[in-house]
Amino acid sequence: DSGVTQTPKHLITATGQRVTLRCSPRSGDLSVYWYQQSLDQGLQFLIQYYNGEERAKGNILERFSAQQFPDLHSELNLSSLELGDSALYFCASSVGSTNNSPLHFGNGTRLTVT
Amino acid sequence: GDSVTQMEGPVTLSEEAFLTINCTYTATGYPSLFWYVQYPGEGLQLLLKATKADDKGSNKGFEATYRKETTSFHLEKGSVQVSDSAVYFCALMNAGNNRKLIWGLGTSLAVNP
Repeated sequence: DSGVTQTPKHLITATGQRVTLRCSPRSGDLSVYWYQQSLDQGLQFLIQYYNGEERAKGNILERFSAQQFPDLHSELNLSSLELGDSALYFCASSVGSTNNSPLHFGNGTRLTVT
Repeated sequence: GDSVTQMEGPVTLSEEAFLTINCTYTATGYPSLFWYVQYPGEGLQLLLKATKADDKGSNKGFEATYRKETTSFHLEKGSVQVSDSAVYFCALMNAGNNRKLIWGLGTSLAVNP
């Protein structure tokens, strides 16, 4: 058990809809990262938050947004969903910003857009 | 930009066979290198890492050596088990990159009894 909790485990929704994915980091971790894993693109970094503030952005679409709350949990919002957004979305957390500390991943949320 | 290339899978082996999964990278500077493993239905877990040239990371019988001259970080295990069946991801992190991991596409390993 990594200590990172993601909910829900599965989501099935229709094109054009909006969904929210939730992540609770490990106790004591201040950084939260979101990744998208798809068959054709592999693992793609989306966005990082550190102690409530956006720290880094990756390949995140404008239809997607995220935030980190004062209790350090994070939400990833996906809107105007397209079939191509079907993927496994991972959240990861770490204590801080040291380069060599491992990221701890949740079990992911599998999103299916029909 | 930085990139990671892994050998394509799936790799299918018999139990106790020798495993090699190739990983090469392109990066500026001196990145840290990682292997992560994803067991079915689970999130990614750090398997091993190396932070500088000639370092050898090892864990659970797996090893990988950071080879700067060949920009490689191949994963090896002398005798695989059925429980090693998973997807293996090679990744790098560059110091100036806000800890963003750059990933390979993953290599699926199936070990048959």
